[in-house]
Amino acid sequence: DTAVSQTPKYLVTQMGNDKSIKCEQNLGHDTMYWYKQDSKKFLKIMFSYNNKELIINETVPNRFSPKSPDKAHLNLHINSLELGDSAVYFCASSQGVVNQPQHFGDGTRLSIL
Amino acid sequence: GQQVMQIPQYQHVQEGEDFTTYCNSSTTLSNIQWYKQRPGGHPVFLIQLVKSGEVKKQKRLTFQFGEAKKNSSLHITATQTTDVGTYFCAGRSNYQLIWGAGTKLIIKP
Repeated sequence: DTAVSQTPKYLVTQMGNDKSIKCEQNLGHDTMYWYKQDSKKFLKIMFSYNNKELIINETVPNRFSPKSPDKAHLNLHINSLELGDSAVYFCASSQGVVNQPQHFGDGTRLSIL
Repeated sequence: GQQVMQIPQYQHVQEGEDFTTYCNSSTTLSNIQWYKQRPGGHPVFLIQLVKSGEVKKQKRLTFQFGEAKKNSSLHITATQTTDVGTYFCAGRSNYQLIWGAGTKLIIKP
């Protein structure tokens, strides 16, 4: 029973294309996140949603657009992909935003050709 | 902006040696979490420290939170190959979780 699942696991595509990554959690959590991890392994928060409302929107190009249709899902759409977008994207969830641990998905490895 | 500095970036140890990673925050933290990421894996929550001066142990791992709640450390005694990975601290400040850059533990062959 996967708690936080992301699809696809791997995404190889050309520069300029548009792609989406999906995330679902079955933990009953009310908060979900998107992180970007670059080749140096630094984890950068991109977005966070609490009860479907956007609460964290870090400095991210507006080519990245999150969408949370319900508390259990948080998708990420990326327009006009660039070489610098190559990274591993992690989805995570937690119960609340203050004191609870975050549970991560397995990641989506995005490679831009 | 608020930062959590984590050092060292890498640590090479012989199996059986100890390992320590340190985190320092520019601001007082309400709590600090530690995560482990195995190679090719995802971050996995290890522990959370909340109280000033708190020390918690998980088998060979010892976690400390400083008296001023601005620094924390993770110490692993007698490392094993299963300890390999990157260890991240993440400090909570003003409802935001601020991540350290991680310390990669490498076991020398």
